[in-house]
Amino acid sequence: AQSVTQPDIHITVSEGASLELRCNYSYGATPYLFWYVQSPGQGLQLLLKYFSGDTLVQGIKGFEAEFKRSQSSFNLRKPSVHWSDAAEYFCAVGAPTEYGNKLVFGAGTILRVKS
Amino acid sequence: ETGVTQSPTHLIKTRGQQVTLRCSSQSGHNTVSWYQQALGQGPQFIFQYYREEENGRGNFPPRFSGLQFPNYSSELNVNALELDDSALYLCASSFIAGGLEQFFGPGTRLTVL
Repeated sequence: AQSVTQPDIHITVSEGASLELRCNYSYGATPYLFWYVQSPGQGLQLLLKYFSGDTLVQGIKGFEAEFKRSQSSFNLRKPSVHWSDAAEYFCAVGAPTEYGNKLVFGAGTILRVKS
Repeated sequence: ETGVTQSPTHLIKTRGQQVTLRCSSQSGHNTVSWYQQALGQGPQFIFQYYREEENGRGNFPPRFSGLQFPNYSSELNVNALELDDSALYLCASSFIAGGLEQFFGPGTRLTVL
């Protein structure tokens, strides 16, 4: 079965510092991978996605992620974190259902930004 | 372009009651998926609707049921509420049944007492 692991429950970084959030997936075929962000009390906003092609994908808000098949990873990065980036981040993999597709999410990583 | 909307925003029910949550899909989208997000966890897939029929289901009991209407809006119904049903319920829409790029609404926070 498909699964996603986000090893870090909480991460704290200083404003202006670089950020890397880890994501490992388990999926037999070529994965479709996503990063979503959730602010408190809000729904999920798509940051970026990987379907195929270039393994380094660019997203919104200055985020990027790199797909590494050999490591089954899809880590999210940002070179310089802003206080407004404080939120919870979810990695997800697309998985087939009987007739369509669903998203399988990791447990999330809470990002705290200190000034 | 109108995004995904959900109603109500918050809801408080007691154990054993029934609840209906509503979702309007994003303009141009014909598929709706529902997810349950318990506190401190990632969203869990409940089911998906396409062309007014259930198009896939996660590991949820039959007391979780849904509907999709001709205008692609959707309802999630939960019968015989249990305390563990307390969660944020998220609706997501996509353009086609196989569409993995799903756009989420703000969610409905359900509290079961």
